[in-house]
Amino acid sequence: DAGVTQSPTHLIKTRGQHVTLRCSPISGHKSVSWYQQVLGQGPQFIFQYYEKEERGRGNFPDRFSARQFPNYSSELNVNALLLGDSALYLCASSLVGGHEQYFGPGTRLTVT
Amino acid sequence: ILNVEQSPQSLHVQEGDSTNFTCSFPSSNFYALHWYRWETAKSPEALFVMTLNGDEKKKGRISATLNTKEGYSYLYIKGSQPEDSATYLCASNSGYSTLTFGKGTMLLVSP
Repeated sequence: DAGVTQSPTHLIKTRGQHVTLRCSPISGHKSVSWYQQVLGQGPQFIFQYYEKEERGRGNFPDRFSARQFPNYSSELNVNALLLGDSALYLCASSLVGGHEQYFGPGTRLTVT
Repeated sequence: ILNVEQSPQSLHVQEGDSTNFTCSFPSSNFYALHWYRWETAKSPEALFVMTLNGDEKKKGRISATLNTKEGYSYLYIKGSQPEDSATYLCASNSGYSTLTFGKGTMLLVSP
């Protein structure tokens, strides 16, 4: 079985640009969560989606948005990129009502 | 808001040594405690999920305990091997699937 997949693996953007990160959950998992991991810190929760609806949001500005598609894949969008948005963005999927999350390898975003 | 703390921040041991890490978390509104093992350039790998006070779980040479009343969990590695070198993350959640992570303990095992 394929695990959680994320694309792209690495990305370099310029301040002010927009970025879209993609995540495909494990087959059968209907919930997707996004986390940001900055060097030296633990992953921080950004969004959780289930059945195409936002079920939770962390303490991130409105420049961050996400959506979930009918096939349960998800996109994370970040507008007006800042240098501080440089981080590893992790996606995790879980079963409905389950509390064990499975992580993808992440997308490394560098903002210059 | 849950604050999860891990100690030590990093640890360097010799092959064959046994070691342990600590994770502390607020005990109010507790639902589950998670341990992950994260190797560089790979996905965080789930080790254990524990929910009940007094839970003890074991996977090979790695084991974990949980005390929800006082808000801490220990992760033990018996006879460390170089392949155990990784960052060990703990996370807590209070009902929904969102996790609050600690900063992790970076373990280096030298041959």
